[in-house]
Amino acid sequence: DVVMTQTPVSLPVSLGGQASISCRSSQSLVHSNGNTYLHWYLQKPGQSPQLLIYRVSNRFSGVPDRFSGSGSGTDFTLKISRVEPEDLGDYYCLQSTHFRTFGGGTKLELK
Amino acid sequence: EVQLVESGGGLVQPGRSLKLSCLASGFTFSNYGMNWIRQAPGKGLEWVASISSSSSYIYYADTVKGRFTISRDNAKNTLYLQMTSLRSEDTALYYCARQAVALDYWGQGVMVTVSS
Repeated sequence: DVVMTQTPVSLPVSLGGQASISCRSSQSLVHSNGNTYLHWYLQKPGQSPQLLIYRVSNRFSGVPDRFSGSGSGTDFTLKISRVEPEDLGDYYCLQSTHFRTFGGGTKLELK
Repeated sequence: EVQLVESGGGLVQPGRSLKLSCLASGFTFSNYGMNWIRQAPGKGLEWVASISSSSSYIYYADTVKGRFTISRDNAKNTLYLQMTSLRSEDTALYYCARQAVALDYWGQGVMVTVSS
């Protein structure tokens, strides 16, 4: 089974600052079709998770360009620039190359 | 507008069964795979099960294999999760989510509490 290791667990940030979250997989997430199915979600307090980034670096509809994803193989990063209050919450990575596995989550909170 | 509405949750004793439903609207349900994901209180997300658009492909997490059954009725735009032999560790908020390139739309979730 694929294990997704997400770091850090907690990330204090200042409004207007930048945040970076890492997600590492125990095996390559490159599918036999050549695509890499690594996605990022934000779960705001009391809400369902919402898709931010799909297939490593593609922003979902309506997601501001302050959010960017990068990486390949087993190492992936989500970056948030100019952090705003509505960005606070729990971030999860999800791999769907080998069934589905979520990372453990990162809580983005105010410093 | 894509909408997913879960129902059927509640309090159930260990060892008993429960069936969850997820009613879909705002898209052609029969064209999409669907998933169940759960979140124990104060914990992270755990994928539970997936089903393809025509029910040809079905997958389960090891933690529920043999106890849970995912199914769908495309005529009723409804996804189901039949849960049997429930354990305290199955206590969670259960979400259904649409499968596109990623799990792109999620319901609000339904709570299942397993306790005597």
